[in-house]
Amino acid sequence: DGGITQSPKYLFRKEGQNVTLSCEQNLNHDAMYWYRQDPGQGLRLIYYSQIVNDFQKGDIAEGYSVSREKKESFPLTVTSAQKNPTAFYLCASSWAGNSPLHFGNGTRLTVT
Amino acid sequence: AQSVTQLDSQVPVFEEAPVELRCNYSSSVSVYLFWYVQYPNQGLQLLLKYLSGSTLVKGINGFEAEFNKSQTSFHLRKPSVHISDTAEYFCAVSDIRAAGNQFYFGTGTSLTVIP
Repeated sequence: DGGITQSPKYLFRKEGQNVTLSCEQNLNHDAMYWYRQDPGQGLRLIYYSQIVNDFQKGDIAEGYSVSREKKESFPLTVTSAQKNPTAFYLCASSWAGNSPLHFGNGTRLTVT
Repeated sequence: AQSVTQLDSQVPVFEEAPVELRCNYSSSVSVYLFWYVQYPNQGLQLLLKYLSGSTLVKGINGFEAEFNKSQTSFHLRKPSVHISDTAEYFCAVSDIRAAGNQFYFGTGTSLTVIP
């Protein structure tokens, strides 16, 4: 079945460490996205990519980095510069042109 | 940029009662509209979408929504809820005019179905 796979589901890190969240899709979608979800705040866009080797900052990109070396993969690195990294992170993908987003099941990151 | 307002952060409703979850957005010009559902510790699942055509849109699990351009609203309804409908619901807007696939989400409505 086609879909989006995020791994791991739960991730624990010490403050000051960088951590990379994986996102893989086999839907052949062009665009991929990373969102952060905090209680009561909805979804906030971190980064998005519409094509391989290109990506744009979203509303809250500071302290995060991404790469898009393959169409299927869009990993997110949470760096030590991110002040409040503990959150639920959602990866999504879509066809171009305002088609609906398809979401992975998320990664819950806890930094202590 | 668009803004999306979900007026009710929490909606409790008894099983088999009707429910309406409200969504308003900032501009009716050239938008696509979506409702998503999220179960605990999972991603979002598309319930329904409005792209064009009939303003009444039917989705999965018996939900429907009506696009009202003059009121810039896209309220979600279900005539009879079930326990399994307990979840978080998000309204989203996509601005057709924006470069790329730009989505704007509301802050969510937590629906609790009471037995």
